[in-house]
Amino acid sequence: GENVEQHPSTLSVQEGDSAVIKCTYSDSASNYFPWYKQELGKRPQLIIDIRSNVGEKKDQRIAVTLNKTAKHFSLHITETQPEDSAVYFCAASRDTDKLIFGTGTRLQVFP
Amino acid sequence: ETGVTQTPRHLVMGMTNKKSLKCEQHLGHNAMYWYKQSAKKPLELMFVYNFKEQTENNSVPSRFSPECPNSSHLFLHLHTLQPEDSALYLCASSQRGIGELFFGEGSRLTVL
Repeated sequence: GENVEQHPSTLSVQEGDSAVIKCTYSDSASNYFPWYKQELGKRPQLIIDIRSNVGEKKDQRIAVTLNKTAKHFSLHITETQPEDSAVYFCAASRDTDKLIFGTGTRLQVFP
Repeated sequence: ETGVTQTPRHLVMGMTNKKSLKCEQHLGHNAMYWYKQSAKKPLELMFVYNFKEQTENNSVPSRFSPECPNSSHLFLHLHTLQPEDSALYLCASSQRGIGELFFGEGSRLTVL
């Protein structure tokens, strides 16, 4: 089955700096790669996703890149703000219905 | 109520008790899921139901028994649990093929 590894486990940045979180997956047939954000005490929520037919997707300050050959994908957050502080989870699946999540990255943005 | 709701929000049970977690989605989705969230494995897939049919059992011990009577309701029946089963149990729903999971707020389970 699919296995997803995520790094780093914790990340601290100064407000305004960029943050990058990386994930690798094992199943070469995986074709859907979402990212979820979980604020303290709240439920995970989708922030961006990418499918295997594209290499990059951007939504304002957030972007995701995918390298299918190397089986890794990354989340990029630019101009970080304190409200970006949360745990971020990457995930992968062969179809959209059985998401396997990474172990999460705790991002802290200091003012 | 809108979205995905879970009850109870908190549950404390002994190892010999039998209890159930309930999940209800008001989004018209056709797939529902149980995930376990703990410090060791932050988001671990347990069960997947598509159109009320179980399509995934991710090697979950039999002391966890899911039930999906219709596409809007999902239960997780618990019996003879172990202290290591203490965790946050998250229910989610989605529309098959679309991808986005909508999570409930979770049921925090403590097994004494």
